[in-house]
Amino acid sequence: ILNVEQSPQSLHVQEGDSTNFTCSFPSSNFYALHWYRWETAKSPEALFVMTLNGDEKKKGRISATLNTKEGYSYLYIKGSQPEDSATYLCAFLNQAGTALIFGKGTTLSVSS
Amino acid sequence: GAGVSQSPSNKVTEKGKDVELRCDPISGHTALYWYRQRLGQGLEFLIYFQGNSAPDKSGLPSDRFSAERTGESVSTLTIQRTQQEDSAVYLCASQAGVPGEQFFGPGTRLTVL
Repeated sequence: ILNVEQSPQSLHVQEGDSTNFTCSFPSSNFYALHWYRWETAKSPEALFVMTLNGDEKKKGRISATLNTKEGYSYLYIKGSQPEDSATYLCAFLNQAGTALIFGKGTTLSVSS
Repeated sequence: GAGVSQSPSNKVTEKGKDVELRCDPISGHTALYWYRQRLGQGLEFLIYFQGNSAPDKSGLPSDRFSAERTGESVSTLTIQRTQQEDSAVYLCASQAGVPGEQFFGPGTRLTVL
């Protein structure tokens, strides 16, 4: 059974705080790790697709790292803003699979 | 259009009725996925279409669920004899190629009374 775990389940920070959350996934037969942002009343939107161990990706104030050997990825948000409030989903694809396996997400709330 | 579209956006139905949900993927995207999210749960994979290959139906929860895709275009997800536990947001996503990012539609919120 492929299991993708995300922590924390939810998080509340003040505007300007930096934060990070974790996605853990099976380390065998790794193919890709995706991060999505899902804002209320909108569709999930891709942030990053990561395929290489040690990969680091950055988009504005958001960045992500990947460790495929130990099976985890971190998502970092620097200087959180209220518009960062959303659920952040990670999803794992193994070499044998055709479908992404999603975690339950981390819901971030940023207060101004 | 530029993105993935889904219809209807909301559907309320009575237990036992059949429903059909539609997805229009991004033109040229060969892969199409259906997911659902029930209240308090994560995104749950239902079915995957890739080009003309046989679909991966491993996520369909029961034989009341079926889906079709016409070539590399529109897909419909059909739920027969709906049950209250089928209430969820049903999301469709298309993808240009594996393992690229998936582009999601706005979803259909299904409520079974």
